[in-house]
Amino acid sequence: GQNIDQPTEMTATEGAIVQINCTYQTSGFNGLFWYQQHAGEAPTFLSYNVLDGLEEKGRFSSFLSRSKGYSYLLLKELQMKDSASYLCAVSSTGGFKTIFGAGTRLFVKA
Amino acid sequence: GAVVSQHPSWVICKSGTSVKIECRSLDFQATTMFWYRQFPKQSLMLMATSNEGSKATYEQGVEKDKFLINHASLTLSTLTVTSAHPEDSSFYICSAPDRAYEQYFGPGTRLTVT
Repeated sequence: GQNIDQPTEMTATEGAIVQINCTYQTSGFNGLFWYQQHAGEAPTFLSYNVLDGLEEKGRFSSFLSRSKGYSYLLLKELQMKDSASYLCAVSSTGGFKTIFGAGTRLFVKA
Repeated sequence: GAVVSQHPSWVICKSGTSVKIECRSLDFQATTMFWYRQFPKQSLMLMATSNEGSKATYEQGVEKDKFLINHASLTLSTLTVTSAHPEDSSFYICSAPDRAYEQYFGPGTRLTVT
């Protein structure tokens, strides 16, 4: 089976840096995704990690350690519009099936 | 990037009626599509995997006779909620992977059953 854990809520200040952690257990691993979701909208893709290490894309970076079953999403220079839910999702081997964590609601305050 | 559409974007129906939701991949072919359900302030729960030309695979706890899935072509999957009840009111989202394993999500369909 699969199990994905991430914090329920986080609060950070505009302009700051925030790290959202995700731990997972899966019987077959084919990559880890981070998605951003604003209320009432579909998720939008942020990052995909399949190998260990850090992937940087603008203000967003994502890290993966397969041996530890651990990932984090790093958001720099926080903006008010970054207030959203951030979903960690794991894709299993053989079929693209992706299971989502419960999501972390990030509140960015002025 | 690839585009996935859903129709309708929202629907209100009476209890006991059936509702069909369409999911289309607009610029790529998808032999597999996924259907998710999301309740307020909760994450996406995978309901089923839609397979083109064969039966859908349902997740544990999802009633296949209530949530009928048809994947008739490489660009279209439909989800029919049969005999809908108020507890079926939710946000239904489909997704389709491309060859690079990235999931493209549809905009979602908000179903309200009165």
